[in-house]
Amino acid sequence: AQSVAQPEDQVNVAEGNPLTVKCTYSVSGNPYLFWYVQYPNRGLQFLLKYITGDNLVKGSYGFEAEFNKSQTSFHLKKPSALVSDSALYFCAVRNPYSSASKIIFGSGTRLSIRP
Amino acid sequence: GAGVSQSPSNKVTEKGKDVELRCDPISGHTALYWYRQRLGQGLEFLIYFQGNSAPDKSGLPSDRFSAERTGESVSTLTIQRTQQEDSAVYLCASSLAGPAMSIYNYGYTFGSGTRLTVV
Repeated sequence: AQSVAQPEDQVNVAEGNPLTVKCTYSVSGNPYLFWYVQYPNRGLQFLLKYITGDNLVKGSYGFEAEFNKSQTSFHLKKPSALVSDSALYFCAVRNPYSSASKIIFGSGTRLSIRP
Repeated sequence: GAGVSQSPSNKVTEKGKDVELRCDPISGHTALYWYRQRLGQGLEFLIYFQGNSAPDKSGLPSDRFSAERTGESVSTLTIQRTQQEDSAVYLCASSLAGPAMSIYNYGYTFGSGTRLTVV
């Protein structure tokens, strides 16, 4: 069965510093991986996805994520955090080879950027 | 419309009452999903509609939960005899096609959700 884990409930970073939000997954075969962001009182928004190709994918708002097959990870990163990046971040995975599979979401990581 | 619209945005109901939540997907989106997000937890899949195919109801937690969708338009999620553990944010999402294709369309587009509180 496919699953995704976000080991940190909360990440605190000072503005201007680099940030990393961790995500590990478990799925047979090559996964499709996603990051979504949820700002306060807003719906989920797509940030980026990995399907195939370059392991480093770039997304919205200056975020990027690196697919690491050996470590089964897909950590979200940004070189310089902004206060406006404070939000709830969800990692998600899907097994593309299962016709019945759905996107499975992690439990979310709350990112707090202090000025 | 420009996005996925959900109503009401907030709903407080008494235990034992029935509630109905509404989702208006993006026009032309054939796939529609309902998720539940309990406080401090991840998104929990509830049900998936794809065109005129039979819906995937595998995520519905009990027979108190049901959902309908007419064609490729509005969907309603109904919770009967609500319990306190039903309190959560219920999120609707739509995409141009089912899971196999939606990844090429940047995943799903989510609504802002309905916050349900059962007292």
